[in-house]
Amino acid sequence: ETGVTQTPRHLVMGMTNKKSLKCEQHLGHNAMYWYKQSAKKPLELMFVYSLEERVENNSVPSRFSPECPNSSHLFLHLHTLQPEDSALYLCASSQDWSRPAEAFFGQGTRLTVV
Amino acid sequence: GEDVEQSLFLSVREGDSSVINCTYTDSSSTYLYWYKQEPGAGLQLLTYIFSNMDMKQDQRLTVLLNKKDKHLSLRIADTQTGDSAIYFCAEKVTGGGNKLTFGTGTQLKVEL
Repeated sequence: ETGVTQTPRHLVMGMTNKKSLKCEQHLGHNAMYWYKQSAKKPLELMFVYSLEERVENNSVPSRFSPECPNSSHLFLHLHTLQPEDSALYLCASSQDWSRPAEAFFGQGTRLTVV
Repeated sequence: GEDVEQSLFLSVREGDSSVINCTYTDSSSTYLYWYKQEPGAGLQLLTYIFSNMDMKQDQRLTVLLNKKDKHLSLRIADTQTGDSAIYFCAEKVTGGGNKLTFGTGTQLKVEL
């Protein structure tokens, strides 16, 4: 138990569906992250939030839409995904966004797009 | 640009030493990290080394850094079945902001 909880653990969705991934941290951290982990590829940073403000602009397709309503919660809204978006989506949090290496990770949501 | 490479698989016998290797391309790395990902879990920071160091030891873990060859390794002594996991190396570079660049991960399998 790392203090970072992700739901659901597994998700299967069609290409026309809309779904959301949820992440919650109970560590009092100020920064939260979404990462994409695909087989045989490097871990890919998608989004970074610091105190509910998005602080990094990575090249992520608009079919992925993050939301950070408060410093404890982070969502990833998904719509019209492609099969190549199937991956493990990891949420993480750290004390602040200058210390991403010290982040605590959730267990991930295994997403399958059919 | 930054690129971090690792071999995908490593298999060792219980009790032997494991050596997981990583190469990186950006010579302005400041810190290099090793993470462990157990089945069904997220990444956990194991250890790190500052770029002006050659070696760091922490119990059964030894990190070696060859800055000239841009080569990083993680040695696990007396490997146990609980060490079976995916191991990621990552680098943080000068001028890269707070971004980490990760490798593909090495799947370590420990056999009895």
